[in-house]
Order: sequence, then structure tokens, then C-alpha cells
Amino acid sequence: KQEVTQIPAALSVPEGENLVLNCSFTDSAIYNLQWFRQDPGKGLTSLLLIQSSQREQTSGRLNASLDKSSGRSTLYIAASQPGDSATYLCAGSNDYKLSFGAGTTVTVRA
Amino acid sequence: DVKVTQSSRYLVKRTGEKVFLECVQDMDHENMFWYRQDPGLGLRLIYFSYDVKMKEKGDIPEGYSVSREKKERFSLILESASTNQTSMYLCASSPPGTGRDTQYFGPGTRLTVL
Repeated sequence: KQEVTQIPAALSVPEGENLVLNCSFTDSAIYNLQWFRQDPGKGLTSLLLIQSSQREQTSGRLNASLDKSSGRSTLYIAASQPGDSATYLCAGSNDYKLSFGAGTTVTVRA
Repeated sequence: DVKVTQSSRYLVKRTGEKVFLECVQDMDHENMFWYRQDPGLGLRLIYFSYDVKMKEKGDIPEGYSVSREKKERFSLILESASTNQTSMYLCASSPPGTGRDTQYFGPGTRLTVL
């Protein structure tokens, strides 16, 4: 059974600082690793999806890496802004199922 | 844009009531999912469906059932609601295949069982 862990549970940074969010998973036989954003009381929005054959994906200020051998993924957010404040969840895909971490709640202080 | 809608944003029910949560997607997706989200536990899969009238149990199916009579609609049923089913419920859909595509989520239903 895939176990996904995100540490820390919460993070507070000043505006402009780069954010580094960590995700670890136990089963390296994942199809892909996904990062989602969740705003308070809302559903999830997909940010980046890294297929198992890829090492990283980039979208604007966001970059996500995947290291299957070590069971880790990292989401980098460059030059953080107050609008980046949200909870970020990672999820590993095995067959139909996504296994989620509990999330890291990010606060970017203006 | 993919749109996944859920019938209610907030719902308050009493213990023992039968509760229906409905989810509709407009992208002709084969796969649909129901999750619950609790603080510190992340999202946990309750049930999923990969076709009309097909369903599979997820990690925590106890106390729940589902119905998929039409491709676009996936219902979660709490036969007899209990206080430990107070949670945020999220529905998602995805294209056919073996999980290689992202899932698209609805806005969630916050259910309180008194």
C-alpha cells in the first residue's frame, strides 16, 4: 500500500522567498506523481504531473522533481507571493488510485 | 475546461439519516471517485467507478455505498449517517486509463452529522 508523507505540515515565509515543499512515498512503482493546490474550503487544483519516466516538470514559477529511487518529490515555487498561500498536496498514482499526503499549508507574508 | 460539480457545498444531517451526495462531470470521463478529507489524514479514497454500473471499493468503504446509473453522475450514499462521517467529501473524475492522467476535483461538500 502506497504511503505518502509531507513534511513540514505548515510553512510560513516572507514574500519573495523561494519555497521548497517535500513529498516522500514508499512504493517506487508509481505511474506518476502529482502536485495539487487547495484553497481553504475548496476542491483541489492540479498543478503539475510528473510521469514515472520523467525527472521533472515546470510550469511558470513552479518546478517539480521526481526521484523514484529515493521515493521523493520536491515542489519548488520561485519568488513566492501572498497569492501562493494555500495547502499543497502531493499524490502518487498506482493504477486507478491516488494516494495523498496530508499536505503542507503555506503562508506567504506580505 | 473540465467541470465537476457537487450538489451541495454544506450539508447538516442527523444521526441515522440516509444521505445522498451527488457529483456530476461534463467531460465524458469514464473514471469517477469519491474521497473524504480529514485534518492530518489527507484524502482517503472511499469508492471509485470506471464505468457505468461498475464500482470498486477504495480504502475506507465501510458505511458508504455508491451508485453510477449514468456516465456523468456518481452518487455517494450514507445509509445511516453517523457522527464519525462528519467530513469534507470530494468527488473527482478522470479520463479512461490506468491512472496516468490527472484527476479533476469538484469543490467539495462539507457534511456535518449531529
